[in-house]
Amino acid sequence: EIVMTQSPATLSVSPGETATLSCRASQSVSSDLAWYQQSPGQAPRLLIYGAFTRATGIPARFSGSGSGTDFTLTINSPQSEDFVIYYCHQYNNWPQTFGQGTKLEIK
Amino acid sequence: QVQLVQSGAEVRKPGASVKVSCKASGYAFNAYYIHWVRQAPGQGLEWMGRINPTSGATNYSQKFQGRVTMTRDMSITSAYMELTRLRSDDTAVYYCAREQNWSFNDAFDTWGQGTMVTVSS
Repeated sequence: EIVMTQSPATLSVSPGETATLSCRASQSVSSDLAWYQQSPGQAPRLLIYGAFTRATGIPARFSGSGSGTDFTLTINSPQSEDFVIYYCHQYNNWPQTFGQGTKLEIK
Repeated sequence: QVQLVQSGAEVRKPGASVKVSCKASGYAFNAYYIHWVRQAPGQGLEWMGRINPTSGATNYSQKFQGRVTMTRDMSITSAYMELTRLRSDDTAVYYCAREQNWSFNDAFDTWGQGTMVTVSS
């Protein structure tokens, strides 16, 4: 199975800064990569699919990039509600797999 | 609006089975795959499998093969996930999720609220 490795496990940024979250696949997943946001006690919420396409209703401060094995989620000037956990998800191969998550916290 | 509503929390003893339901509304139930994903307390997300609501065909993670069964009832636009021979490490929140595209593998654009399953003697 494809292993998805997210880094860092915890990212501390100050409001107004840019947060850069990474996700690496153990083999190519082409652009079949999604990012989800999960707030405490809530279900995940789709942010990005196809590596860079924002889902419906997602603010423009969220952007995705990458292809193959290396992907990035960038959050420009995170708002208070953005300081939660983010997961990447590959749906190119079976079984589909998720990264272990990156927690974004306020510095 | 598009919505997936899951059944309530369950408590089971080791060795028992549990069946979680996922009621879909606001869209054509037969036009989107339903996936099941679980999350152990404080842990990440784990994909379990998916079901084709039209044909009932399933794809399971090998990890759960033999213990999981996914079914659906089109008449009431509901999907089900049954897990047998429960162990303590099956304690988790179980989510159903809709895959947003029928024609090719895609991301999950709608999630249920989750069902907590606790396995404890």
